Amino acid sequence: DVKVTQSSRYLVKRTGEKVFLECVQDMDHENMFWYRQDPGLGLRLIYFSYDVKMKEKGDIPEGYSVSREKKERFSLILESASTNQTSMYLCASSLQDSINEQFFGPGTRLTVL
Amino acid sequence: AQRVTQPEKLLSVFKGAPVELKCNYSYSGSPELFWYVQYSRQRLQLLLRHISRESIKGFTADLNKGETSFHLKKPFAQEEDSAMYYCALRPPGGTSYGKLTFGQGTILTVHP
Repeated sequence: DVKVTQSSRYLVKRTGEKVFLECVQDMDHENMFWYRQDPGLGLRLIYFSYDVKMKEKGDIPEGYSVSREKKERFSLILESASTNQTSMYLCASSLQDSINEQFFGPGTRLTVL
Repeated sequence: AQRVTQPEKLLSVFKGAPVELKCNYSYSGSPELFWYVQYSRQRLQLLLRHISRESIKGFTADLNKGETSFHLKKPFAQEEDSAMYYCALRPPGGTSYGKLTFGQGTILTVHP
């Protein structure tokens, strides 16, 4: 069974804190993605990675960074959390071939106070 | 730049009625189009893709290149169809790394 897991379902942090969101997939997928999901705005791509140590900016990378040291793990980092980063964060993965579907994790709801 | 527009944030129908969720896209070329669905307390998952020309759970979607639309249709809605639906676009070929551009989403509610 295909599995993408995220380290936390709910997270509450304070403004200015450094926040780590972890995503792990067990499908040996090359591509991994981080999105944020906001009502009325849909899913917006923050960063993606197509290989270990490789990363590309998505549509809204400001205020975020990522790390991919191992193929199965893709981390999203908020260097200094702000209230406008309160959102639902979704991780996804897919095989390298672009025709393949993306598989999503359950999401992490982050609240920044 | 590519864009996907879902004009309806909310859509309500009664059980047994036909339903159509609208999706319009902007892309200079022949993209791949998808519908993803998120049921309550479940993760986002692929519903169908245009290249497969398949019917999933009674839903179909036809790509209209002239109108740049990819509307999702079902002739008889069921209560279990209530969910958030996202239309998504992916550029063709291998250079996109599978990146998707999503629409804003439509919440479908099917009343008994």
